[in-house]
Amino acid sequence: DTAVSQTPKYLVTQMGNDKSIKCEQNLGHDTMYWYKQDSKKFLKIMFSYNNKELIINETVPNRFSPKSPDKAHLNLHINSLELGDSAVYFCASSHLMGGYTFGSGTRLTVV
Amino acid sequence: KQEVTQIPAALSVPEGENLVLNCSFTDSAIYNLQWFRQDPGKGLTSLLLIQSSQREQTSGRLNASLDKSSGRSTLYIAASQPGDSATYLCAVDSNYQLIWGAGTKLIIKP
Repeated sequence: DTAVSQTPKYLVTQMGNDKSIKCEQNLGHDTMYWYKQDSKKFLKIMFSYNNKELIINETVPNRFSPKSPDKAHLNLHINSLELGDSAVYFCASSHLMGGYTFGSGTRLTVV
Repeated sequence: KQEVTQIPAALSVPEGENLVLNCSFTDSAIYNLQWFRQDPGKGLTSLLLIQSSQREQTSGRLNASLDKSSGRSTLYIAASQPGDSATYLCAVDSNYQLIWGAGTKLIIKP
């Protein structure tokens, strides 16, 4: 199946831990993204990568570090997790003028 | 700065009715506009994509229109069904990112 797949689907971890979320797309898209959906369900962009290069880095704590080993993968590493990081994180990909395809989301709970 | 607004925030209608969801945006310089559906606790499902040069798109019972000059889009749902109950999100593709509305929570009563 052609899709954007992200793992894990659920992640429960303690404050202070470091965790990673992986994302892969097999759609041949040039651009990948991480979006955060907070408790009020509002979606906001965190990062955007085009052909492995960072093109958008919104106001996100530097504890969040994206890594794009190739244009089909965009992983998100989070250091020193805080309670406020609890949210749903969505990976997405797009091709110019082609619309966006989203992964199913990773629900992160920091306890 | 692009801002996207969706009205109404919530809507509850009996099954079988036709309904319209509204989306407005402040900057007409967009690449495209996309409507998504999100079920509780689930991911984002793309419903319709309208390119900036297009006026409307249709898929089954759904029809979306785009008027760039007035900064508006509507999503028309015909003959609504209980399975249409979800949150509908409008997103504008502007400057390498999607700018989102807050969504319309739709409940279709059997």
